[in-house]
Amino acid sequence: DADVTQTPRNRITKTGKRIMLECSQTKGHDRMYWYRQDPGLGLRLIYYSFDVKDINKGEISDGYSVSRQAQAKFSLSLESAIPNQTALYFCATSVDTDTQYFGPGTRLTVL
Amino acid sequence: GENVEQHPSTLSVQEGDSAVIKCTYSDSASNYFPWYKQELGKRPQLIIDIRSNVGEKKDQRIAVTLNKTAKHFSLHITETQPEDSAVYFCAAYPSNYQLIWGAGTKLIIKP
Repeated sequence: DADVTQTPRNRITKTGKRIMLECSQTKGHDRMYWYRQDPGLGLRLIYYSFDVKDINKGEISDGYSVSRQAQAKFSLSLESAIPNQTALYFCATSVDTDTQYFGPGTRLTVL
Repeated sequence: GENVEQHPSTLSVQEGDSAVIKCTYSDSASNYFPWYKQELGKRPQLIIDIRSNVGEKKDQRIAVTLNKTAKHFSLHITETQPEDSAVYFCAAYPSNYQLIWGAGTKLIIKP
């Protein structure tokens, strides 16, 4: 779904580095989400935002921070990356309690 | 909080046969239950959903059933085809605005 994009698509970094993952959408949706996916654990919510001024912690927010720069942009930061943050990260958008549209994902490896 | 359990973790069926994936949830306030399909290397995409005021919903070869009393819902795929091979995720939407996801079922269609 080209309406939700993520950059970068792949990133390898070292322990202790600061990393930012970016998400942009052209769907005009107010709600945006950041998930991480680990094998056998499904999707776990890191942060979600219902509009530019409304940001909420999800299930696993420790070690992460976010910024909602505009309705269309939602960034995820790892202030000091650690190896157990190696995962596949997805951004998603939605209108209310409805279908979530996912970006293509960012594969992050922390060495 | 809400907890969603999904079974089985892997399901192998003969092409043309039916497949059933089951999920249970714990929060009786949950009122929205989507199913997502994730093909290898791709993003999750919604395939069907059901709300708590409905017991069953069908869309061609796929159907979802909901038993609110027992707090479980199931995905049924009939006449399985090779393109049905994927990981399927169920989710539940309780009252705290977060989708809670099952761990996923890897569906393998044998030729």
